[in-house]
Amino acid sequence: GDSVTQMEGPVTLSEEAFLTINCTYTATGYPSLFWYVQYPGEGLQLLLKATKADDKGSNKGFEATYRKETTSFHLEKGSVQVSDSAVYFCALSDLDGNQFYFGTGTSLTVIP
Amino acid sequence: GAVVSQHPSRVICKSGTSVKIECRSLDFQATTMFWYRQFPKQSLMLMATSNEGSKATYEQGVEKDKFLINHASLTLSTLTVTSAHPEDSSFYICSAIGLGSTHFGDGTRLSIL
Repeated sequence: GDSVTQMEGPVTLSEEAFLTINCTYTATGYPSLFWYVQYPGEGLQLLLKATKADDKGSNKGFEATYRKETTSFHLEKGSVQVSDSAVYFCALSDLDGNQFYFGTGTSLTVIP
Repeated sequence: GAVVSQHPSRVICKSGTSVKIECRSLDFQATTMFWYRQFPKQSLMLMATSNEGSKATYEQGVEKDKFLINHASLTLSTLTVTSAHPEDSSFYICSAIGLGSTHFGDGTRLSIL
């Protein structure tokens, strides 16, 4: 069945460091891919998405490219800030909402 | 194994029916649970935050009287879609915070005829 495998955390970085959180997926068909962010005590917020191969999603300095050949959707940011400290979830689904599959989440802490 | 159980996984019912969806944390107590909905052709959107023993906090644009949330115990939150109509057909999913992370239910596919 479909699944998402996400890099385990926790991840601790210094401010302005480069961030990569790996995400790979297994899916039949052509899923859409998402990154969600969860700040402490809050619900998930959509960070970015990509709906087809080679699409690049971007938001708030974060980017991820839908790589069908490697079945990956790695999250990157060139220079992290303290305010980026949160838990990040990779997910896949089709946009018709037949199912959502989440990774286990990666906790990021950015220190000044 | 699953630490959050969501039931039912799929429901089909007639317009005007009220539908209850349950979200249970199996191995931990969850003071906070979240309810999400996926609109057609869009990503998952937060509907409300369910707090045990107090009123739920709804996101802007979500009708409180339409989507009743009850978090009566530390292991159970329910979402009731009252007088459901075809436009309420969607995929609903819950999550709970516990054991040091966030856990998701398997989701409920609601179809209103």
